[in-house]
Amino acid sequence: KAGVTQTPRYLIKTRGQQVTLSCSPISGHRSVSWYQQTPGQGLQFLFEYFSETQRNKGNFPGRFSGRQFSNSRSEMNVSTLELGDSALYLCASSLQGNSYEQYFGPGTRLTVT
Amino acid sequence: GENVEQHPSTLSVQEGDSAVIKCTYSDSASNYFPWYKQELGKGPQLIIDIRSNVGEKKDQRIAVTLNKTAKHFSLHITETQPEDSAVYFCAASVAQAGTALIFGKGTTLSVSS
Repeated sequence: KAGVTQTPRYLIKTRGQQVTLSCSPISGHRSVSWYQQTPGQGLQFLFEYFSETQRNKGNFPGRFSGRQFSNSRSEMNVSTLELGDSALYLCASSLQGNSYEQYFGPGTRLTVT
Repeated sequence: GENVEQHPSTLSVQEGDSAVIKCTYSDSASNYFPWYKQELGKGPQLIIDIRSNVGEKKDQRIAVTLNKTAKHFSLHITETQPEDSAVYFCAASVAQAGTALIFGKGTTLSVSS
């Protein structure tokens, strides 16, 4: 069974621009969570989607948003990029909305210049 | 807010030795505690997990112990091998927040042959 896939793997953007990242969960998994990983703050929860609905949101500004499609694929969007948004963005999928076991993708490395 | 402390931040062992990584958590309502291994350029890989109704779980050379009273949990790796070298993260579930996880800051394990 294929794992979690994320596209693109690497991205360079300029401050002020916006970016959209994509995540395809493991086949059959219906819950998708997004995390930001930086050397200083570590892994931080952004938000979780289940059945096309955002169920939980971490402590990030409104510039960070996401959505989930009927096939469970998810996208996250960051608007008005800041230098501090440079990070590895990780997507994790789990089987159901109440399943804690999460499997991560390889991440998208975003660099903001 | 909820917090997970992880120690040590770096750990160097000789091949064949044991390695122990310890975490403490603050939210007494947390009931799921996974451990992830992250290799360079890859996403975190779930290696073992434990739920609050279990005190210990073992999978080959890897074991996790949980002390709910003290809010401590630990990862034990026996007979370490060079391929165990990676960054290890502990995490804890967040009560009332779906499948969101709070992560420790990570332990860089180096196994020398």
